[in-house]
Parts: sequence; structure tokens; C-alpha cells
Amino acid sequence: DAGVIQSPRHEVTEMGQEVTLRCKPISGHDYLFWYRQTMMRGLELLIYFNNNVPIDDSGMPEDRFSAKMPNASFSTLKIQPSEPRDSAVYFCASSRTGRGGTEAFFGQGTRLTVV
Amino acid sequence: AQSVTQPDIHITVSEGASLELRCNYSYGATPYLFWYVQSPGQGLQLLLKYFSGDTLVQGIKGFEAEFKRSQSSFNLRKPSVHWSDAAEYFCAVGANTGTASKLTFGTGTRLQVTL
Repeated sequence: DAGVIQSPRHEVTEMGQEVTLRCKPISGHDYLFWYRQTMMRGLELLIYFNNNVPIDDSGMPEDRFSAKMPNASFSTLKIQPSEPRDSAVYFCASSRTGRGGTEAFFGQGTRLTVV
Repeated sequence: AQSVTQPDIHITVSEGASLELRCNYSYGATPYLFWYVQSPGQGLQLLLKYFSGDTLVQGIKGFEAEFKRSQSSFNLRKPSVHWSDAAEYFCAVGANTGTASKLTFGTGTRLQVTL
């Protein structure tokens, strides 16, 4: 398996623009997570899905952030409009149900810079 | 609420020396505990995990960790460090309801290895 695939790897955008980050989880995994990593706040969970349904979005910072999972193999995280303070590395991770397989596998991340 | 403390922000060790990275957690029930490693510009890779059973857990790359309930600790150890171990290390606690892979991370410890 190719692992969790995120695109793009790097994104530079101007303040006010819409940004869409993409994630393809590992096939067969039924949980998908979006994390954000910043120097100030470290790694924080934004939202996670189970079987394509959002379970907990309490970590989403503002209404400017939204996430969708239209099917088991694809998820997006959208920021509209973007602001410089959104600059961070965004990670997608997936896992499957079951005690023996509940560790999360992370993608390589998308480094977002908002100027 | 669950939390993780990694008291050491930065550690420097000589190649071949032993290593111990500290991790303390706060959780109201039996925790699921993880150590992840992040190389520069990369995603997070799982080193090892503790769910239950033997409190000494073996992981990849020669790492091990010991769960000590009385001290609320899950310290990571390696008997002999290699230069390639230089990276950032994250301890995390997973929820034991729903999915253990909903993670709360510590702030990380950056390991530098001198030759």
C-alpha cells in the first residue's frame, strides 16, 4: 500500500484566497483524521471521520475551515478565506477499527504558507 | 481531558550513547500510548505503542518504552543511539473510547546526535 497520500506537498497562497488540501487514506481504513502542526501549538487534531461521517470537529479553529469526506478514499480540508495565521503543516492520518490496528498512519503533510 | 507532557524540548547525545526521552500523561482511565518520530520535512512514523499487557514495549529501530502507571510515564529508551536517530520525537495518548488513534500529542523532543 502506498500509505496515506496528501496533496499538494507545498502550497503558497495569498491572504483571502481559498485553499483546498487533499487526502487519500489507506485502503480499508475507516477512520480519517486531520491534524495541524505549528510551532506555537504543536500537533492538534482538527477533525476526524468514521466511515466518512464527521465525528468530532471541535478542533476546527473557525468557520473558515471545513472538511469533507465524500467517499472512503478521499477527503478535503478547505480554508476560505485563508489568513497568514493559517500557515502550518497539515497532516492527514488514517486508521482502522480494532485494538490491534488502531494506530494512526500519517501522510507526509502539506506545508501551507499564506502570505 | 487527556494531556501529554514532554519536559525536554531538546536533547543532545553522542552517537553510541544511551537515550531516554521522558513522557508523562494525564488520563482518567487506562491509556493507549504511542511514540512517533518525525524527520525533517516528513510525516510521523510510529515507533511503538502500548495498549495493554506487558509494560515494556519493543518498537522499531531498536527503541523500547516502559509504561509505569504509578508514575504516569511512558519513557522512550534506546541503548545505543545512531546518527540517523536525529529527529523529533512525539509521545501521544489515544482515547480509549471510539478509537485509540484519536491522539493528543506532547510538544515533542528534538534529538540531536553528535558524532
